[in-house]
Amino acid sequence: AQSVTQLGSHVSVSEGALVLLRCNYSSSVPPYLFWYVQYPNQGLQLLLKYTSAATLVKGINGFEAEFKKSETSFHLTKPSAHMSDAAEYFCAVSESGGYQKVTFGTGTKLQVIP
Amino acid sequence: DVKVTQSSRYLVKRTGEKVFLECVQDMDHENMFWYRQDPGLGLRLIYFSYDVKMKEKGDIPEGYSVSREKKERFSLILESASTNQTSMYLCASRDRSNQPQHFGDGTRLSIL
Repeated sequence: AQSVTQLGSHVSVSEGALVLLRCNYSSSVPPYLFWYVQYPNQGLQLLLKYTSAATLVKGINGFEAEFKKSETSFHLTKPSAHMSDAAEYFCAVSESGGYQKVTFGTGTKLQVIP
Repeated sequence: DVKVTQSSRYLVKRTGEKVFLECVQDMDHENMFWYRQDPGLGLRLIYFSYDVKMKEKGDIPEGYSVSREKKERFSLILESASTNQTSMYLCASRDRSNQPQHFGDGTRLSIL
């Protein structure tokens, strides 16, 4: 069975500081990995995805993530936080076979301090 | 652009009622999903459908059922609503497993 662990339910950074949101996964087959962002009272929007091409994936709004198979990690980073980045972020893994089930992490709320 | 539309943003129902949540997508996607979202628990999969009239249980199917009679529509049914089903419900659709899901804006359901 696949699973996703997001370390830290709340993360605070100063405006202009590095953002690092952690995601570790387990999967018995090569996974597809995604990061989504959720603003208050909205659904989830895709930030970026890894589907077995380049291990460093660039997404929208200056975010990127690196797939590290040896560490089973897919951490999300952004060099310089902006106030508009305050939101909740979810990491998700999708099976590449079978019923292609998607499993989400429990989410990390990012607070940006001016 | 893909649009996933959930029929209600806010819904208030009473204990024991049968509740229907509707979701429609406009991009001919094969897969559709229903999640519930609770603080600290993230998104938990209730049911998903990989084709018309096909469905699979997710992680928390108890107390719920689903219907997918047409490709664009996926309905979640609370057979007899209970207070512990008060939650945010999110619908999503997807083309294939290596493609991202597209989400509706959610239905905040309160069971009194």
